Amino acid sequence: DAGVTQSPTHLIKTRGQQVTLRCSPKSGHDTVSWYQQALGQGPQFIFQYYEEEERQRGNFPDRFSGHQFPNYSSELNVNALLLGDSALYLCASSLRREWDTEAFFGQGTRLTVV
Amino acid sequence: ELKVEQNPLFLSMQEGKNYTIYCNYSTTSDRLYWYRQDPGKSLESLFVLLSNGAVKQEGRLMASLDTKARLSTLHITAAVHDLSATYFCAVDRAQKLVFGQGTRLTINP
Repeated sequence: DAGVTQSPTHLIKTRGQQVTLRCSPKSGHDTVSWYQQALGQGPQFIFQYYEEEERQRGNFPDRFSGHQFPNYSSELNVNALLLGDSALYLCASSLRREWDTEAFFGQGTRLTVV
Repeated sequence: ELKVEQNPLFLSMQEGKNYTIYCNYSTTSDRLYWYRQDPGKSLESLFVLLSNGAVKQEGRLMASLDTKARLSTLHITAAVHDLSATYFCAVDRAQKLVFGQGTRLTINP
């Protein structure tokens, strides 16, 4: 059983560019959440997708957007990249039922903005 | 707004010693998670604590949860070098995880 997979694993972009990160959830999971982890800090919640809609959003600007597909996979898009967007981006999948909310994390995508 | 605070943020200890990492959170939550992160890697789930008084142990690590005090502890017994990593607690808020700042643990021979 494949766990949560993210692609690419590493990415280098230039300021002002746009980037798309991808996530495939663990088999059987229907909810995908995205987190940003800056160097030396704890992960920060970006947003969560369920049934192809954004259900919750953290304190991130509109430059951060996402999408969930019918197969539950998800994309995170960041426009107009800033140097401060350099971070490890983590995708977590879970099941919506309240009694089974443990999130499983992917290996992450390391984004470097130069 | 839910806030999660860990202490200490940095911990250097010798092999064989015992120590405890503390995680305080500001509002009621019934689920708390402990993760381990190695440098440059993703998060590895250690424990999920679901109810007040929950205690879980795996090897040299033991985690507990006191929901009334809004406190969780991660206790390390007879530390070994392989446990060197950053440890995060995270509190579940409607399926959104709020993380502490992390505790960077270094275990010296």
